[in-house]
Amino acid sequence: QVQLQESGPGLVKPSGTLSLTCAVSGDSISGLKWWSWVRQTPAKGLEWVGEIYHSGSTNYNPSLESRVSMSVDKSKNQFSLRLTSVTAADTSVYYCVRDLSTSLDYWGQGILVTVSS
Amino acid sequence: EILMTQSPAILSLSPGERATLSCRASQSVGPNLAWYQQKPGQAPRLLIYGASTRATGLPARFSGSGSGTDFTLTISSLQPEDFAVYYCQQYYSRRTFGQGTKVEIK
Repeated sequence: QVQLQESGPGLVKPSGTLSLTCAVSGDSISGLKWWSWVRQTPAKGLEWVGEIYHSGSTNYNPSLESRVSMSVDKSKNQFSLRLTSVTAADTSVYYCVRDLSTSLDYWGQGILVTVSS
Repeated sequence: EILMTQSPAILSLSPGERATLSCRASQSVGPNLAWYQQKPGQAPRLLIYGASTRATGLPARFSGSGSGTDFTLTISSLQPEDFAVYYCQQYYSRRTFGQGTKVEIK
């Protein structure tokens, strides 16, 4: 059974950096799959943030590209998200997701990150 | 960016009725479309990919159709557990989601 679990601070100060990690179990992060981050707010709905392959190759949402980076730690079977210069607009539930390129088939439970002083 | 537009925003139906949800892309995405179901407090769940291929274990009452810019998700006979929000998502170019259709009990 594939499981994904997000972790990280639930509160980040404006202009700070949001950092989240996703631990993957039941599948190897080094397989032939991409690993994505998706965020959700009531106002904007679901927004794809970006994806990473185990080689380190990435694709990002153009609207976030200047502020986002992702990385993979194969030894821990996990991947991470970093979003800089955050504002209140970045307050969202963040999901990590297994990305088969044809679909997003396994999702973490989600983590609420609030940007506030 | 490819924009995805879903209609209607809200669909009020009774159990046993047929639900027809629409999704339109701002440019052709071929068959590169997926559908997801989301219930309150839960992550989205994959239903359909490749516009018409059901995810493993999905009941046959769910079906997807379409290609290019116009897509449909049909639930042939609504069950109590089907009342939820449904999202379409294209994966032809990056990934973008529609704004969702809420299927509510009439």
